[in-house]
Amino acid sequence: EPEVTQTPSHQVTQMGQEVILRCVPISNHLYFYWYRQILGQKVEFLVSFYNNEISEKSEIFDDQFSVERPDGSNFTLKIRSTKLEDSAMYFCASRVFYEQYFGPGTRLTVT
Amino acid sequence: TQLLEQSPQFLSIQEGENLTVYCNSSSVFSSLQWYRQEPGEGPVLLVTVVTGGEVKKLKRLTFQFGDARKDSSLHITAAQPGDTGLYLCADYPNAGGTSYGKLTFGQGTILTVHP
Repeated sequence: EPEVTQTPSHQVTQMGQEVILRCVPISNHLYFYWYRQILGQKVEFLVSFYNNEISEKSEIFDDQFSVERPDGSNFTLKIRSTKLEDSAMYFCASRVFYEQYFGPGTRLTVT
Repeated sequence: TQLLEQSPQFLSIQEGENLTVYCNSSSVFSSLQWYRQEPGEGPVLLVTVVTGGEVKKLKRLTFQFGDARKDSSLHITAAQPGDTGLYLCADYPNAGGTSYGKLTFGQGTILTVHP
């Protein structure tokens, strides 16, 4: 069964460093998303992407964040200068019609 | 802003018991998704309910959608330890026509099934 994949599963970085989180959405899906979940809190929306551009972003998704679909399969989230409060699980998701499927997540730890 | 309230927040039961968890919305649902999430993993889609009054079954799980499309329940029959996890409901607060946008999640129900 097709699934969303994410790499790496765990990323440890120092404050101020850049990180790139990678995702491979399900192949026939056209809508892509990033969410994050801080430990013990709700899953919260970061950004949606369709037709090679951002369609919606949350207040969290400031200038330190960017997304890209560099080729026909990968979808990336870049954090330019990480902060301690960026430590969270980051989930990529892709959608067909109204069903949204999530990847296993990348645990980002900023020290 | 749509708010999703799930109850109970925690549920601890013995294997073989039945249980029901609830999801209520401050506004009409567009396409309610139920997910199950295990620690350190991503949410796994269980079912989507769209039509008021709809009932869907997935093995021992029964999902009901209220007639007014503002509430939903998940009933598990004869719970097993493998059912342990965080059960989340989610909806599209900005859905319109064929556009769905982002998902908004409830805070979840943490279910623990003891052997």
